Amino acid sequence: GAVVSQHPSRVICKSGTSVKIECRSLDFQATTMFWYRQFPKKSLMLMATSNEGSKATYEQGVEKDKFLINHASLTLSTLTVTSAHPEDSSFYICSARPGTGGEKLFFGSGTQLSVL
Amino acid sequence: KQEVTQIPAALSVPEGENLVLNCSFTDSAIYNLQWFRQDPGKGLTSLLLIQSSQREQTSGRLNASLDKSSGRSTLYIAASQPGDSATYLCAVRGNYGQNFVFGPGTRLSVLP
Repeated sequence: GAVVSQHPSRVICKSGTSVKIECRSLDFQATTMFWYRQFPKKSLMLMATSNEGSKATYEQGVEKDKFLINHASLTLSTLTVTSAHPEDSSFYICSARPGTGGEKLFFGSGTQLSVL
Repeated sequence: KQEVTQIPAALSVPEGENLVLNCSFTDSAIYNLQWFRQDPGKGLTSLLLIQSSQREQTSGRLNASLDKSSGRSTLYIAASQPGDSATYLCAVRGNYGQNFVFGPGTRLSVLP
C-alpha cells in the first residue's frame, strides 16, 4: 500500500521558536495533501488543504501566517509552526491522496509537538 | 455543514465477540466514506473505503456497510482479537470539495 512518511515523530521546543514538520509520499505522487490537528481523545480537525504548486487552502479559524504550508513537489508538503506557543502543543497529522485518481487517504504517523 | 457522529464512544468486549461500530452523518450527499484505525499516538490506517454507490465492503474480518439515505454506516468486526484494540474513526467526503469530515471515533478494547 501507499506509504506516507512524516517527520519528526516528536519535537519539543521553546516558546517563540519555529518548528517544521515534513510529510512525504514515498511511493506515489500526491497532488493533494491535508494537514490535521488532533487533541487528546478527540477527532481530527482539518487545518488546511495543500495543493502542489499553489497556495494552501486554510479552514476557518486557522491562522495562515502561523501555520505555513508549502507543497513544493508532488511528494513533499511541509507545515511550519511559526513562533510556537504552549497552546500550539498538539498532535499534527498529514495525509495524502494519490494523484492517479485514487480515493483513499493515506496518513503519516503524526508529530507530537510540545511547546515549553 | 456535514457532521459525523459515532456510537458508542468507547466499547470493551471479551476476545472472540462479534461487534458493531456505528457512524452517522447529517448530509447524505456524500462521495464516499472511509473507516480508519488509529493506535495511540500514531497516524491513521485505512481499513475500508465505500463509494456512495456501494452498499458494503469487506476485508478479512471487517465488513463495512453504507446506507446513504439514512446517513449511516456500520463497521462489523468478527471474532474480535486483543490486537483489534484501537480507536476506529469514520470519515465522510462530500460531493463537493476534497475534504473528509471525521467522526470523534470509538475507542475499542478487546480483553484477552
